[in-house]
Amino acid sequence: EAQVTQNPRYLITVTGKKLTVTCSQNMNHEYMSWYRQDPGLGLRQIYYSMNVEVTDKGDVPEGYKVSRKEKRNFPLILESPSPNQTSLYFCASSLRFGLASGNTIYFGEGSWLTVV
Amino acid sequence: AQKITQTQPGMFVQEKEAVTLDCTYDTSDPSYGLFWYKQPSSGEMIFLIYQGSYDQQNATEGRYSLNFQKARKSANLVISASQLGDSAMYFCAMREGYGQNFVFGPGTRLSVLP
Repeated sequence: EAQVTQNPRYLITVTGKKLTVTCSQNMNHEYMSWYRQDPGLGLRQIYYSMNVEVTDKGDVPEGYKVSRKEKRNFPLILESPSPNQTSLYFCASSLRFGLASGNTIYFGEGSWLTVV
Repeated sequence: AQKITQTQPGMFVQEKEAVTLDCTYDTSDPSYGLFWYKQPSSGEMIFLIYQGSYDQQNATEGRYSLNFQKARKSANLVISASQLGDSAMYFCAMREGYGQNFVFGPGTRLSVLP
């Protein structure tokens, strides 16, 4: 089954304690991305990656790091989480090339993160 | 500059009526794709419909249709015969060119009234 898997789905952590949210896709997609969703602000992009070892900042990259060492994995790292990073996080992936309905973006189920 | 604008933070519609959710976009790339997604309260993102910039006809998928007005740079989602299960957040998204980044609008929360 084609899917994007992210973990953990739910996490409560304390300020300053480093954490990593993993993301893995099994569709051999080149493009991967992280979004955060906050009430009234919709989906905002944190980082994206066009391929292995290629990453770019999105609209809200501050406080986050990513890496793309393998095609299937794109972890999101919060080196020193703060309460303003409390949010719902989505990982997503897509084929890189081509504009067609089949090249839509696939989302993980979301990770609810609370920083206290 | 914001590339996707959804001017309706919230919308109400009576069950069985049609509703239009607005989306305008900004791009100078002649090749792009427009997508609509639904997010129910459970949180998952569900792909609804796609429109390519070179598509001659408006896209349709069941009760969903996309009113594509290229000159006005608008890609409004029309839901016909609304159902209670249509209550959700709806996001418009765009991908420019080939192999480029996806960007999303802020979303519209639709509430269907019985």
